[in-house]
Amino acid sequence: GDSVTQMEGPVTLSEEAFLTINCTYTATGYPSLFWYVQYPGEGLQLLLKATKADDKGSNKGFEATYRKETTSFHLEKGSVQVSDSAVYFCAPPTYNNNDMRFGAGTRLTVKP
Amino acid sequence: DAGVIQSPRHEVTEMGQEVTLRCKPISGHNSLFWYRQTMMRGLELLIYFNNNVPIDDSGMPEDRFSAKMPNASFSTLKIQPSEPRDSAVYFCASSLALRQGEKLFFGSGTQLSVL
Repeated sequence: GDSVTQMEGPVTLSEEAFLTINCTYTATGYPSLFWYVQYPGEGLQLLLKATKADDKGSNKGFEATYRKETTSFHLEKGSVQVSDSAVYFCAPPTYNNNDMRFGAGTRLTVKP
Repeated sequence: DAGVIQSPRHEVTEMGQEVTLRCKPISGHNSLFWYRQTMMRGLELLIYFNNNVPIDDSGMPEDRFSAKMPNASFSTLKIQPSEPRDSAVYFCASSLALRQGEKLFFGSGTQLSVL
């Protein structure tokens, strides 16, 4: 079935460091792909999405490119801030069903 | 729109008591999801509904848990009797059309503590 494999954390970085969180997927068809973020004390919220191959989703300085050839959707940010400290979830593709079972997520801590 | 509304925000109860968590999805959304989040287990999908019908409840931990969606604007998650290991944050989420690439909208969660 459709699924994702996400890099496990936790990840600790200094402010202004470069961030990559890896995510690869398996899917039939051509699903939209999503990254969600959970800030402390809140529910998950959409960070960015890409709807087709080679699309780049971006938001708040984060980017992820939908790479069909490598079935990947890695999250990147060139210079992280303390306020980016959160848990990041690569969402499972939902082309064939509504089974939204998230993985463990990757906890990011950014230190000043 | 007010977003997905969950109540109560916090619930403290004693072991053996019945707990009812409530969720109002975004108007017009046809899918609703209940999740439980703990440090040990992460974010677990408990059950989801399409058009008010339960589709998959395989994540419900045991018979003490039950969920209903009597109409498109309201859902409940009930735990009876509650146990200390049920302590967690429970999230409700809704979506318009996941298969068409629509996103999930999450509520703020209910922090449940069972003493």
